[in-house]
Amino acid sequence: NAGVMQNPRHLVRRRGQEARLRCSPMKGHSHVYWYRQLPEEGLKFMVYLQKENIIDESGMPKERFSAEFPKEGPSILRIQQVVRGDSAAYFCASSPRGRDGELFFGEGSRLTVL
Amino acid sequence: EDQVTQSPEALRLQEGESSSLNCSYTVSGLRGLFWYRQDPGKGPEFLFTLYSAGEEKEKERLKATLTKKESFLHITAPKPEDSATYLCAVGKGGSEKLVFGKGTKLTVNP
Repeated sequence: NAGVMQNPRHLVRRRGQEARLRCSPMKGHSHVYWYRQLPEEGLKFMVYLQKENIIDESGMPKERFSAEFPKEGPSILRIQQVVRGDSAAYFCASSPRGRDGELFFGEGSRLTVL
Repeated sequence: EDQVTQSPEALRLQEGESSSLNCSYTVSGLRGLFWYRQDPGKGPEFLFTLYSAGEEKEKERLKATLTKKESFLHITAPKPEDSATYLCAVGKGGSEKLVFGKGTKLTVNP
């Protein structure tokens, strides 16, 4: 059973460009979470989604960031007009059910903004 | 505000030298406390869930315990392959969000 797949693993963007990060959850998992890890900081919750629904986006910056988890295909985290402060590792996790805390994380997408 | 503080930030042990990592937390309505392990360049890997004070969980050389204010991860006779960053997180009732600490980086020398 393949784990959580994230791509790209590394992404370089110039200020003002768009970044799209993709996450395919484990088979049978319908809950997806995105976390961001800044250098020297802990993991910070961004958003929790189920198929076609955003359940909790309380950790998402109000502007430039959006997430989706369509009926078909991977979950997408989209960052528009990137700035240097967006440079971080973005981790996706999935679980087969909510309210469990046992999350299965991908290996992360590392975004560098020049 | 919910907070998780882990100490020490870094710990170096000799192989076989047992020790403990600390995770202190403040959260209203604790749903569970979770321990993860993270290797360099990888995503966190789930280790344990603890739900109530007094609970203990064990896995190989690791044992996690929970009180009302903190959790300990005890490492007995560690091996070099136990070297990793250990993350503690709390979840609160009514929310799927986990609040993570910054982690303890453990290095076990042969």
